[in-house]
Amino acid sequence: DTEVTQTPKHLVMGMTNKKSLKCEQHMGHRAMYWYKQKAKKPPELMFVYSYEKLSINESVPSRFSPECPNSSLLNLHLHALQPEDSALYLCASSPRFGQGAYEQYFGPGTRLTVT
Amino acid sequence: DAKTTQPTSMDCAEGRAANLPCNHSTISGNEYVYWYRQIHSQGPQYIIHGLKNNETNEMASLIITEDRKSSTLILPHATLRDTAVYYCIVRVAGSSNTGKLIFGQGTTLQVKP
Repeated sequence: DTEVTQTPKHLVMGMTNKKSLKCEQHMGHRAMYWYKQKAKKPPELMFVYSYEKLSINESVPSRFSPECPNSSLLNLHLHALQPEDSALYLCASSPRFGQGAYEQYFGPGTRLTVT
Repeated sequence: DAKTTQPTSMDCAEGRAANLPCNHSTISGNEYVYWYRQIHSQGPQYIIHGLKNNETNEMASLIITEDRKSSTLILPHATLRDTAVYYCIVRVAGSSNTGKLIFGQGTTLQVKP
């Protein structure tokens, strides 16, 4: 199973809402990532988790709160978002982070619209 | 990580080989060349990677020049399903920042019937 799954596929939320994005993989990977992709732009890294610990935060605003409850699951909690946060949010995983030339496997993404 | 330069767009006839170039003239000795593609509204898909030698897998071939300053991704028999944005990325393996993928603008490949 080389699949990364993401739920929901689409999400519409108001600026005062709290919502969460979920990502799951069962490949035994110990590194997981969140990316943000605006329309017609390349993906941009937001967070990296390695062995369930946050390794990299690319200066992401605190209204985005990542969580890695176990090695298979990655969440992104959203609160008080702005309309400019509307984007495709991509999750990825790789065997490790920090050593070796590992490829990342991406999920299909969650299309988020903030109204 | 070294910066890459790719053409903005390319066309290819269905059934023909698609050759996608990438310039990475500032690449360091320990930096790998990675290729990903992103079909419309899907997540990026890993294609292939290499360090010095040419590489081939079931999807594509990667040709890296001897000085490593440029590379070419070859899709041997392009199909309409290969229409996508292709990203060439160079990144270091073995540092504390290993694993970070810095996507450039990529090349939009349009395969035409």
